[in-house]
Amino acid sequence: VQVVESGGDLVQPGGSLRLSCAASGFIFMNYAMTWVRQAPGKGLEWVSTISGSGLSTYYADSVKGRFTISRDNSKNTLYLQMNSLGAEDTALYYCAKGTIVTTGPFDCWGQGTLVTVSS
Amino acid sequence: QSVLTQPPSVSGAPGQRVTISCTGSSSNIGAGYDVHWYQQLPGTAPKLLIYGSSHRPSGVPDRFSGSRSGTSASLAITGLQAEDEADYYCQSYDSSLSGYWVFGGGTKLTVL
Repeated sequence: VQVVESGGDLVQPGGSLRLSCAASGFIFMNYAMTWVRQAPGKGLEWVSTISGSGLSTYYADSVKGRFTISRDNSKNTLYLQMNSLGAEDTALYYCAKGTIVTTGPFDCWGQGTLVTVSS
Repeated sequence: QSVLTQPPSVSGAPGQRVTISCTGSSSNIGAGYDVHWYQQLPGTAPKLLIYGSSHRPSGVPDRFSGSRSGTSASLAITGLQAEDEADYYCQSYDSSLSGYWVFGGGTKLTVL
């Protein structure tokens, strides 16, 4: 079971970026997937979750209206489209696999991809 | 401010027992939602340590244990070892308008 993030970069304030997370070793469509971020020197912050089918999506208030989570079950890939980025979005973004139960834990994490918002 | 409250730091000598608390409210832990704990070693990604408040994933030593009571949960580490020095986060689900999946602010464990 493995998830690998990519797409992090240095972006100017107000810019956009799309993160990807490639999953392997499990039946991707059966599990909800989540993005969690960690600002430099700070704790973990839940960002967004998508159901296995992709029909249900959930967002933290801090990113609602700016970020869009999506998935392509044919490609075993999770995405996070980030628009109107600000300095407060600078963080290491982790992709995490959920379990069958909605309130279950995140049982597999990637190594993260770094997003830096700066001019 | 995190929805779940943890002490910023705890410490203990090798071989000792330490506990880390996680205090929530009636919309998360108190509502019966499971509590999960993660260990983040320096420079690495978080790793699931305890799920369902008290269950250990395969490979996690039985020195780590979890419990939940009312609106709080605790992580206990016995026989403290140098390699346990890490950040520890609790996590649960919140049914209020403030959010869904929530984390504690994290606790830095220092092995003296």
